[in-house]
Amino acid sequence: GNSVTQMEGPVTLSEEAFLTINCTYTATGYPSLFWYVQYPGEGLQLLLKATKADDKGSNKGFEATYRKETTSFHLEKGSVQVSDSAVYFCALTLPRDDKIIFGKGTRLHILP
Amino acid sequence: DSGVTQTPKHLITATGQRVTLRCSPRSGDLSVYWYQQSLDQGLQFLIQYYNGEERAKGNILERFSAQQFPDLHSELNLSSLELGDSALYFCASSGRDYNSPLHFGNGTRLTVT
Repeated sequence: GNSVTQMEGPVTLSEEAFLTINCTYTATGYPSLFWYVQYPGEGLQLLLKATKADDKGSNKGFEATYRKETTSFHLEKGSVQVSDSAVYFCALTLPRDDKIIFGKGTRLHILP
Repeated sequence: DSGVTQTPKHLITATGQRVTLRCSPRSGDLSVYWYQQSLDQGLQFLIQYYNGEERAKGNILERFSAQQFPDLHSELNLSSLELGDSALYFCASSGRDYNSPLHFGNGTRLTVT
């Protein structure tokens, strides 16, 4: 079946460190891929997305590249800030299917 | 602001009771999704409606039910509440296209005592 696997947290980094949160997927067909972020006390919000292979989504200094050959969509940021502390969810959708499949979320703590 | 409105923000009730959570989707969005988020942060998909009709069902308990009204707002009804139903309940809406992202409300925090 279709699924999303992301690295377990929590991930703790110092401010200005490089961030990678791994996400891999299993899907029949050609999914669209998303990263959502959930700040404390809020709902999830879209961070970035990519709809076809080799697309790069980017927003707020975060980037992720849709890699079909490795079925991955890893989230990266060159220099994290304390304000990036949140839970990050990787997700996929498939054409002709209304289901949105989320990973379990990765909690990120950034220390000043 | 996502444009999705959920009420109430907080709800405290006793076991055995029934509550109704309400969601107004973003203007123009026809799909409404309901999710439950427990303390371990995982999102559990409950149910989806599209333009008033049930489209997909997740792990929704029989004690829970939902509907989407002609004005597209949705309600999630939780009955015979148990302590384990304490959680954050999120509503999200989206457009037609499978590439359209979900827009989430800020959730209703339900505490069952």
